[in-house]
Amino acid sequence: KNQVEQSPQSLIILEGKNCTLQCNYTVSPFSNLRWYKQDTGRGPVSLTIMTFSENTKSNGRYTATLDADTKQSSLHITASQLSDSASYICVVSASGATNKLIFGTGTLLAVQP
Amino acid sequence: GAGVSQTPSNKVTEKGKYVELRCDPISGHTALYWYRQSLGQGPEFLIYFQGTGAADDSGLPNDRFFAVRPEGSVSTLKIQRTERGDSAVYLCASSSSSEGEQFFGPGTRLTVL
Repeated sequence: KNQVEQSPQSLIILEGKNCTLQCNYTVSPFSNLRWYKQDTGRGPVSLTIMTFSENTKSNGRYTATLDADTKQSSLHITASQLSDSASYICVVSASGATNKLIFGTGTLLAVQP
Repeated sequence: GAGVSQTPSNKVTEKGKYVELRCDPISGHTALYWYRQSLGQGPEFLIYFQGTGAADDSGLPNDRFFAVRPEGSVSTLKIQRTERGDSAVYLCASSSSSEGEQFFGPGTRLTVL
């Protein structure tokens, strides 16, 4: 069964600190992996997208990594800001699946002053 | 350019009632997706439209759920005989092609009492 698992479930950090979120997936055949940020009461917004051949992708203070062999990804947030408080969702797309996205349950990040 | 919009933002109904949820995709986007997000979970795929036709409705949980997109733009998700378990946020997304990035709306929060 195609699944995406994330850890930790929730995380609290102080403003200015770094953090890393983890994602493991069993989706096959793999097409791409995305990290989304979802603010409370809003729809998800894409942060990064990586295909099989890419092992790192950055978007400002967000850096995603992908190890297609171990089927693991991470999202590293540098110098966190209060506005980073949100749910971060790892999403995997399977090849030939008409762009159907398989979502993880998300990591709820709270950045405190 | 406006993003994906959804109405209403909140809907409270009684068990057994019929509800309609509306999605206005980004202008020109041919692909439209509906997802359901339960509390503390990632979104789950419901149905995918390419133009006016439902290309993949494998995520609809049962025959109480139905969606239409008669003119290839606005879509309506219809739920008959609502049950308390239908309470969730219903997200709509659109993309410029079947392989393109999906842009999400803010969602409709449905509460069935």
